[in-house]
Amino acid sequence: QQQVKQSPQSLIVQKGGISIINCAYENTAFDYFPWYQQFPGKGPALLIAIRPDVSEKKEGRFTISFNKSAKQFSLHIMDSQPGDSATYFCAASKNTGNQFYFGTGTSLTVIP
Amino acid sequence: EAGVVQSPRYKIIEKKQPVAFWCNPISGHNTLYWYLQNLGQGPELLIRYENEEAVDDSQLPKDRFSAERLKGVDSTLKIQPAELGDSAVYLCASSSGVPGEYEQYFGPGTRLTVT
Repeated sequence: QQQVKQSPQSLIVQKGGISIINCAYENTAFDYFPWYQQFPGKGPALLIAIRPDVSEKKEGRFTISFNKSAKQFSLHIMDSQPGDSATYFCAASKNTGNQFYFGTGTSLTVIP
Repeated sequence: EAGVVQSPRYKIIEKKQPVAFWCNPISGHNTLYWYLQNLGQGPELLIRYENEEAVDDSQLPKDRFSAERLKGVDSTLKIQPAELGDSAVYLCASSSGVPGEYEQYFGPGTRLTVT
């Protein structure tokens, strides 16, 4: 059973556009929601993360929007650049954060 | 600060052969994880260590997989014998283990191909 559902599977965006990736979860015990960026041949790298006590967190061009009642969270990449082309994974964890449940990933391509 | 180090980066073996992967976590990180990542999928936890103790190995196929973390630092993941379905990327990650610090840092992974 997939604990975190991620969509879309792939996304193509023009340079300068906004990329939006969505995730949904069922377990209300989750209390930490990170996003990871992975380039081919590399391990996932932490991009940004949010706790459920806030509805939005912004770091540079990257923003997480969190809707606790809907059990959904999303990643917004503003002014998308070709260098942002990568696979993005959302994840969720509970309690002490030791068990991460990852989404299935979104392959983002930013066209120059 | 050095990141999580893994070796080898790539490994090709024939089925039924043994294979081992090595991980050196970020200095001072007490918690170490081994994940399996199949093509086009997110990482899936195999085992988690707190210092030298395996505190969650519920997803580790114990008939053929084993792991150890002697002295609570480096860790080795072994498969014996390997099967075709074991072809995947094996990722190691570490975190500080400090309550409230949830961030996990991943190594580059070992890509295993079983022929």
